Amino acid sequence: GEDVEQSLFLSVREGDSSVINCTYTDSSSTYLYWYKQEPGAGLQLLTYIFSNMDMKQDQRLTVLLNKKDKHLSLRIADTQTGDSAIYFCAENGLTGGGNKLTFGTGTQLKVEL
Amino acid sequence: NAGVMQNPRHLVRRRGQEARLRCSPMKGHSHVYWYRQLPEEGLKFMVYLQKENIIDESGMPKERFSAEFPKEGPSILRIQQVVRGDSAAYFCASSPRDSLPTEQYFGPGTRLTVT
Repeated sequence: GEDVEQSLFLSVREGDSSVINCTYTDSSSTYLYWYKQEPGAGLQLLTYIFSNMDMKQDQRLTVLLNKKDKHLSLRIADTQTGDSAIYFCAENGLTGGGNKLTFGTGTQLKVEL
Repeated sequence: NAGVMQNPRHLVRRRGQEARLRCSPMKGHSHVYWYRQLPEEGLKFMVYLQKENIIDESGMPKERFSAEFPKEGPSILRIQQVVRGDSAAYFCASSPRDSLPTEQYFGPGTRLTVT
């Protein structure tokens, strides 16, 4: 079945860049997504990338996709304390139904002053 | 336009009781997805419903769990005879059609605690 893996924790200083990594196994993924979850809140879709792209930039966010290695990363430039949250990568492989998401375990980002 | 609403936000049940979780999709949305997030884990798909129809329930536990999305009113996720292992956050998402997740919007979740 599909599997999505992430490291559990990342700590950065305010103003530095954060890079959150994710690997996945389903080669039929059409889109890959990054979600942000703040404490006690639901998931907010941050950005997504189509599987035939290798990079997407959206303001402070840069998504890199290495389809050969099934590796996805999210870079947050000039990280702020408000970026502290749990970040989930997700994919919607066709083997699971194109509208059904498979999530990673989440990476908790802590931004220190 | 109000977002996806879930209630209650927090629910405490004793073992053996029933839990009913409600999800009101965004206005104009006719498709609902339920996900469960166990402590320190990612979200796992449970069930996908269209009004009056279950499209995909491949992630639902075989016993005690059921879901519905009637023609009128919210979608309900029902857990009978709850056990401690059911303690989790339950999220629903809605979309206007049978669409990719780019058009799905998540609610704030219901945090179920079984004592």
